[in-house]
Amino acid sequence: EVQLVESGGGLVKPGGSLRLSCAASGFSFSHYDLSWVRQAPGKGLEWVSAISSSGYSYYAGSVEGRFTISRDNAKNSVFLQMNSLRAEDTAVYYCARELGPDWGQGTLVTVSS
Amino acid sequence: DIQMTQSPSAMSASVGDRVTITCRASQDISTYFAWFQQKPGKVPKRLIYGASRLQSGVPSRFTGSGSGTEFTLTISSLQPEDFATYYCLQHRNYPYTFGQGTKLEI
Repeated sequence: EVQLVESGGGLVKPGGSLRLSCAASGFSFSHYDLSWVRQAPGKGLEWVSAISSSGYSYYAGSVEGRFTISRDNAKNSVFLQMNSLRAEDTAVYYCARELGPDWGQGTLVTVSS
Repeated sequence: DIQMTQSPSAMSASVGDRVTITCRASQDISTYFAWFQQKPGKVPKRLIYGASRLQSGVPSRFTGSGSGTEFTLTISSLQPEDFATYYCLQHRNYPYTFGQGTKLEI
């Protein structure tokens, strides 16, 4: 069974940093692209970032230069380092395998003073 | 960036109705396209991929069609559990983009 479990969310002040993790199991992790998708309270889905199986990274314009995605195939994990956080980054952050049927349950990030 | 425009943004329907939701891409995305369903407080669920391929386990009343720039999701006979928000997604080019969502209400 495929499982994706996010962690690392929480409350952070504007300008602060947070590192999200997504631990995967049940599939050959190194063979797949992974994405982060977020959803602000009461809003729609927003694709944030992806990392390919070969390690190439991609970002939405709204986070380019502030967020960094990485992966550790030995630990079957993908990470999202979020710097210079803003109030508008407040959202539930989901990890997804290739934006297919397998998503984590999400972790809430709240940016507030 | 490719823009995805869904219509309508919201709609009301009744159990048994046939419903169609449309998504338009700002440029040709071939069939690099998917539909998701999301219920309040739940994780998004992929219904359709490749524009017209039904995800395993999804009822056959859901049908996707289209290619290029115009796509539709049709629910042939609405069931109570279908009342949710629906999103389209293009994954032809990065940055991937979702539509703004269609809230389907009773």
